[in-house]
Amino acid sequence: AQSVSQHNHHVILSEAASLELGCNYSYGGTVNLFWYVQYPGQHLQLLLKYFSGDPLVKGIKGFEAEFIKSKFSFNLRKPSVQWSDTAEYFCAVNAWNDYKLSFGAGTTVTVRA
Amino acid sequence: GAVVSQHPSRVICKSGTSVKIECRSLDFQATTMFWYRQFPKKSLMLMATSNEGSKATYEQGVEKDKFLINHASLTLSTLTVTSAHPEDSSFYICSARDPVIAYEQYFGPGTRLTVT
Repeated sequence: AQSVSQHNHHVILSEAASLELGCNYSYGGTVNLFWYVQYPGQHLQLLLKYFSGDPLVKGIKGFEAEFIKSKFSFNLRKPSVQWSDTAEYFCAVNAWNDYKLSFGAGTTVTVRA
Repeated sequence: GAVVSQHPSRVICKSGTSVKIECRSLDFQATTMFWYRQFPKKSLMLMATSNEGSKATYEQGVEKDKFLINHASLTLSTLTVTSAHPEDSSFYICSARDPVIAYEQYFGPGTRLTVT
């Protein structure tokens, strides 16, 4: 089974600052990778996903993530955050032949105006 | 995008009673749905995979007799917490597998269960 670790539990930053959230997974085979966001009081939404191809993936709301296979990492980035990016961010993984998702512990991002 | 709903959004019940939570895919048919449990400040833990027309597959450590799952139609899966106890209090989230992009899931808004 896969496991997912997110390095930051809580990140606090100011508007316009750059954001990078770390995500590492442990699984020897081919994986699909996801970042989900959960805004306060709302359901999980897909930010971006990687299945194959270009390891630099662009998602919604200006987010991007880079898959580095050698490092088993899929870090999320945003060059300039906004107050509205305050949310919980989850990295998730599934094996290429399995629909079940394994989630990281999540990172709470607080953006101060 | 596809929409998944859950009902109720919040429920409070007394210890020893059973509670049913519904998960519906509103604009697509979902042969597979998933049930997760989310503890405060914690990640989502997959409880079980719900397959339409067949028995659910439970993750290790999840009591199948306590968390009954029924997926009677292509748009509805239910989770029944039987003989609920305070330790069952949690946030329960369902998701439905995208019928086109099979490895994607759409998530419901969750149900907050409080057992007193």
